[in-house]
Amino acid sequence: QVQLVQSGAEVKKPGASVKVSCKASGYTFTSYGISWVRQAPGQGLEWMGWISAYNGNTNYAQKLQGRVTMTTDTSTSTAYMELRSLRSDDTAVYYCARCMTTDAFDIWGQGTMVTVSS
Amino acid sequence: QSALTQPASVSGSPGQSITISCTGTSSDVGGYNYVSWYQQHPGKAPKLMIYDVSNRPSGVSNRFSGSKSGNTASLTISGLQAEDEADYYCSSYTSSSTLHVVFGGGTKLTVL
Repeated sequence: QVQLVQSGAEVKKPGASVKVSCKASGYTFTSYGISWVRQAPGQGLEWMGWISAYNGNTNYAQKLQGRVTMTTDTSTSTAYMELRSLRSDDTAVYYCARCMTTDAFDIWGQGTMVTVSS
Repeated sequence: QSALTQPASVSGSPGQSITISCTGTSSDVGGYNYVSWYQQHPGKAPKLMIYDVSNRPSGVSNRFSGSKSGNTASLTISGLQAEDEADYYCSSYTSSSTLHVVFGGGTKLTVL
């Protein structure tokens, strides 16, 4: 079946980096983009950015520009999101999601909890 | 870029209908027919319920419907069921230079 499976929970210190993976299966990986969305504890959803799995083009939320990098490995149908210079307010569940259209996300990963704490 | 505006909570009894609003601007909701709605149960990933204002993905109950008027989009759930109790988020494409997609703050639906 179509699914996205993400890597496990991470605990990082302020200033460190984290790289979350998202492995796709059940569909042609390069036919859809992948967006990353995060959700701080008890808060709403926040769009972080998008990457085309076809050609690697990216579009990042301006507030994260310079700290976030999204990549894909088409040989393993895996998308990656790296966030650098972590702060306590980066503590959140990070989701990858398949872009059914430019702005609608029809398949979601199970989420990866990233905790930033000294 | 501010989040789209949703009511914090709505409630209804089983069998009733409820509507959740989502207000934006002409740069997002009002300017494009690219509004989506997501259902999220506690501890779970969001689930797409409506896309492009009023389209349902395969497998989503026809009790869920979407519409838009001006800068406000709406999600209507008819024949409320206990399992509909969840958080609901709207989202929209935006022409903002700082974002591509903006979400609403979320609405907690309680089935009484």
